[in-house]
Amino acid sequence: AQSVTQLDSQVPVFEEAPVELRCNYSSSVSVYLFWYVQYPNQGLQLLLKYLSGSTLVKGINGFEAEFNKSQTSFHLRKPSVHISDTAEYFCAVIIQGAQKLVFGQGTRLTINP
Amino acid sequence: GAGVSQSPSNKVTEKGKDVELRCDPISGHTALYWYRQSLGQGLEFLIYFQGNSAPDKSGLPSDRFSAERTGGSVSTLTIQRTQQEDSAVYLCASSIGGAQYFGPGTRLLVL
Repeated sequence: AQSVTQLDSQVPVFEEAPVELRCNYSSSVSVYLFWYVQYPNQGLQLLLKYLSGSTLVKGINGFEAEFNKSQTSFHLRKPSVHISDTAEYFCAVIIQGAQKLVFGQGTRLTINP
Repeated sequence: GAGVSQSPSNKVTEKGKDVELRCDPISGHTALYWYRQSLGQGLEFLIYFQGNSAPDKSGLPSDRFSAERTGGSVSTLTIQRTQQEDSAVYLCASSIGGAQYFGPGTRLLVL
């Protein structure tokens, strides 16, 4: 069965610093990859997705992620974070042919002034 | 445009009571999903509807849980004889190929 590992449960960074949130997955078949953000007491908002094509994917709010098939990774990056980026971030996969999202445990990003 | 909506936003119930949670998907989206988010288990898939096909119920944790989708649109998740371990946020999502778009969730507390 496929699984998703988010290597950091919490990431504190200073405002305007760069950030990388790490995500690795395990699957014997091809996958689709997603990052979602959850602000306090809200639902999940799609940040970006990789379905096919270019391995560098750009999303909303200045985030981007790179699909690395050989390392089975899909790390999320932002060159300069803002206080408003404080939230929980979830990496998720769908294996091709299936429909359900399998989520990682989440990474809580805290931005300090 | 309008996103996925869920009601109620919060629900407090007593152990043993039945509850119904409602989801209105994005208009035109053919697929609808229910997930559960709890502190101990993270985000878990519950059930998936696609058009008129039989739903994928593989994620339902027990036979106390059921869901239906009427007219290919609105869905209701029913939990019978609620238990304290059912306390969680129940999230609904819809899609039309590709990404799933989530509603704000229903926070269920079973006392």
